[in-house]
Amino acid sequence: DGGITQSPKYLFRKEGQNVTLSCEQNLNHDAMYWYRQDPGQGLRLIYYSQIVNDFQKGDIAEGYSVSREKKESFPLTVTSAQKNPTAFYLCASSIVQASGANVLTFGAGSRLTVL
Amino acid sequence: DAKTTQPPSMDCAEGRAANLPCNHSTISGNEYVYWYRQIHSQGPQYIIHGLKNNETNEMASLIITEDRKSSTLILPHATLRDTAVYYCIVRPYTSGTYKYIFGTGTRLKVLA
Repeated sequence: DGGITQSPKYLFRKEGQNVTLSCEQNLNHDAMYWYRQDPGQGLRLIYYSQIVNDFQKGDIAEGYSVSREKKESFPLTVTSAQKNPTAFYLCASSIVQASGANVLTFGAGSRLTVL
Repeated sequence: DAKTTQPPSMDCAEGRAANLPCNHSTISGNEYVYWYRQIHSQGPQYIIHGLKNNETNEMASLIITEDRKSSTLILPHATLRDTAVYYCIVRPYTSGTYKYIFGTGTRLKVLA
């Protein structure tokens, strides 16, 4: 089945460590996204990428980095510069339909806890 | 992108229709209305989208007012499994950017 796979589902990190969250899609979607969600809050956009080798900052990019070397993959690195990294991280992808609509498909999420 | 306003929470009795409103008074002519929902600790799930006309699929119906300044998502026969946070989003169908912004949504609780 086509979909988005995020790993790991749960991750624990010590302060000062970088950690990379994986996001892989087999939907042949061009665009991919990373969102962060804090308890009881909505989704906030970290980074997004429209095509391979290109990505743009979202609203809360500080302390995060991404790469888009392959169409299928959009890993997110949470660096030690991110002050409050404990959160639920969601990856999504999309393709523009013939109608012009742009529907997102989400992964199951990765929950990062900093100890 | 146009901003949306949704009530923070709503209750609905099981088996009854759930009507979730969304105000998007600054919507532009080239912006779609999208609805997603997020069940606790899962990734959001696409429900439906529309531009001008009312839309219906197997999950829900979307009613957009004639002036497009507001819309209502209707779950015709709510079940306990419909308890979730529902997000209303507007964004252009032609755009140089794929930026996709979510608000805080409406927390729907379906009561037995």
